[in-house]
Amino acid sequence: AQRVTQPEKLLSVFKGAPVELKCNYSYSGSPELFWYVQYSRQRLQLLLRHISRESIKGFTADLNKGETSFHLKKPFAQEEDSAMYYCALSGLASGANSKLTFGKGITLSVRP
Amino acid sequence: GAGVSQSPRYKVAKRGQDVALRCDPISGHVSLFWYQQALGQGPEFLTYFQNEAQLDKSGLPSDRFFAERPEGSVSTLKIQRTQQEDSAVYLCASSSGSLTETQYFGPGTRLLVL
Repeated sequence: AQRVTQPEKLLSVFKGAPVELKCNYSYSGSPELFWYVQYSRQRLQLLLRHISRESIKGFTADLNKGETSFHLKKPFAQEEDSAMYYCALSGLASGANSKLTFGKGITLSVRP
Repeated sequence: GAGVSQSPRYKVAKRGQDVALRCDPISGHVSLFWYQQALGQGPEFLTYFQNEAQLDKSGLPSDRFFAERPEGSVSTLKIQRTQQEDSAVYLCASSSGSLTETQYFGPGTRLLVL
């Protein structure tokens, strides 16, 4: 069975502070990990995925297979980063059925 | 181009009523997914189509839930004899079907069963 755990429901920081949103996973095969974001009144959208190794909007995430973690980090938070963030997993061997397993999500609030 | 669209955006049903939720995927997208998102939870997988074939329905919570995609484009999720626990946001996502392709989500249909 595959599972994604986001241990915190809410993170509130001041603008300019560092941010780390935690994500741990459980999966027996080779996982693909994602972070999705939902801004207020908008649809769920992909922020980044580990195979791309990109930095999007200043966010990065490194897959740590030893710790089974995929924490999302940003050195200096901006007010526009305030949103709901979901960590998600799919199996690389799943072929086209890349169904996603999501964590419960965390609300990031960046105060001015 | 146009993204994934869903209709209706909001639906209020009396307990016991049947409802039908529609998803229009991005044109040409082979894969289509339905997810259910209860309040305060992350989305949970319901079912998956590749073109018109329903290849995975392992997430459907009961036989009251039925999904179809008869021509390989538009999909309908039907819930029969709705119960209060069916109240949730129902999300549709589509992708091109290749292994590394991103899933694009629709705005969701918020269903409230009274």
